[in-house]
Amino acid sequence: EAQVTQNPRYLITVTGKKLTVTCSQNMNHEYMSWYRQDPGLGLRQIYYSMNVEVTDKGDVPEGYKVSRKEKRNFPLILESPSPNQTSLYFCASSPRWAGGGGYTFGSGTRLTVV
Amino acid sequence: AQTVTQSQPEMSVQEAETVTLSCTYDTSESDYYLFWYKQPPSRQMILVIRQEAYKQQNATENRFSVNFQKAAKSFSLKISDSQLGDAAMYFCAYKSGGSNYKLTFGKGTLLTVNP
Repeated sequence: EAQVTQNPRYLITVTGKKLTVTCSQNMNHEYMSWYRQDPGLGLRQIYYSMNVEVTDKGDVPEGYKVSRKEKRNFPLILESPSPNQTSLYFCASSPRWAGGGGYTFGSGTRLTVV
Repeated sequence: AQTVTQSQPEMSVQEAETVTLSCTYDTSESDYYLFWYKQPPSRQMILVIRQEAYKQQNATENRFSVNFQKAAKSFSLKISDSQLGDAAMYFCAYKSGGSNYKLTFGKGTLLTVNP
């Protein structure tokens, strides 16, 4: 089944404790992206990657890191999480020439930082 | 930068009736795509319908249709014969037609369907 797999689905952590949210897709998509969803703000892009070893900042990159060492994986790293990073996170992927469609979203990761 | 505005934070509709969700956007581009996504309590992002800006005909998917007014930069979603399963958060989203793959989302409209 074609899918984007995010783990974990829920995570509670303490301020300052490094964490990684994993994202993996099995569709050979070039483009991958991370979004955060907050009440009243919709989804905002954190980082994106157009291909292996090619990453760039989105609209809200502060406090996050990403890497794209393999085409299928695009982990989101919070090196020193803070309570304002409590949010719902989505990974999404798309083939390069998707035009107006082709986005596949993961199931989301609910992160709480206390 | 493009912006997407959903002016209705919450809407409600009676089962079997019709409801329209509003979306406006701001762009200087002529080539772009617009989407409506549904997010039920399961959190999954589900594509409901999409519209290419160069197509004048409004997109339709079963009970879901859009009213795309390019000059007014308006993209409303009409849900006919509303069902309990339509209850969800709905997001309007914009994507440029070029090599920028970013989706720009509105803040969402929470739709309640009353039995």
